[in-house]
Amino acid sequence: GAGVSQSPSNKVTEKGKDVELRCDPISGHTALYWYRQSLGQGLEFLIYFQGNSAPDKSGLPSDRFSAERTGGSVSTLTIQRTQQEDSAVYLCASSLGPGLMDTQYFGPGTRLTVL
Amino acid sequence: RKEVEQDPGPFNVPEGATVAFNCTYSNSASQSFFWYRQDCRKEPKLLMSVYSSGNEDGRFTAQLNRASQYISLLIRDSKLSDSATYLCVVNTNTGFQKLVFGTGTRLLVSP
Repeated sequence: GAGVSQSPSNKVTEKGKDVELRCDPISGHTALYWYRQSLGQGLEFLIYFQGNSAPDKSGLPSDRFSAERTGGSVSTLTIQRTQQEDSAVYLCASSLGPGLMDTQYFGPGTRLTVL
Repeated sequence: RKEVEQDPGPFNVPEGATVAFNCTYSNSASQSFFWYRQDCRKEPKLLMSVYSSGNEDGRFTAQLNRASQYISLLIRDSKLSDSATYLCVVNTNTGFQKLVFGTGTRLLVSP
């Protein structure tokens, strides 16, 4: 079946612009996660959704970052007033549920470059 | 100190070799443990979960030592296709999978 999809695959923007990154999870998966992977760094947790609610958004680096999920499906990560340090690969993952052993399936990521 | 530490490598091994990766984690309350594999410029994919009793999946064996907060991955009879970065991953949360990733160990298997 279809896996997690993300769009766009690449995004180049100018400092100060806003960007929106989209994630389509696997159908039926109730849990959705956003991560960021900067060059030479490990994946960094940003936010977790269960359904449309975000019980844990502790990883969002600043108030310029926000995310929402609608219909228990698609999620959008928005970065306002982008900065060069926001350049990274943004990865979305989904799992059937939030269980501790539920496998997280990752999308291919959006590579964001802020000039 | 990083929450999950791994030797970045690279580990260069010939086909057929046995190679072992180690990982340490700092949060003693960590709940579950995984090895993920990430190919160059691709997304991470779950390789295997790691259980306290140790577990094996084909050529791959994972072990967990909770007392030492240490996780290992052993790959036997390495294949060219095993070349990738191996990520040690720890879940530090009880309510959901809040995964903390190591920076990965790079493996290069040569003919």
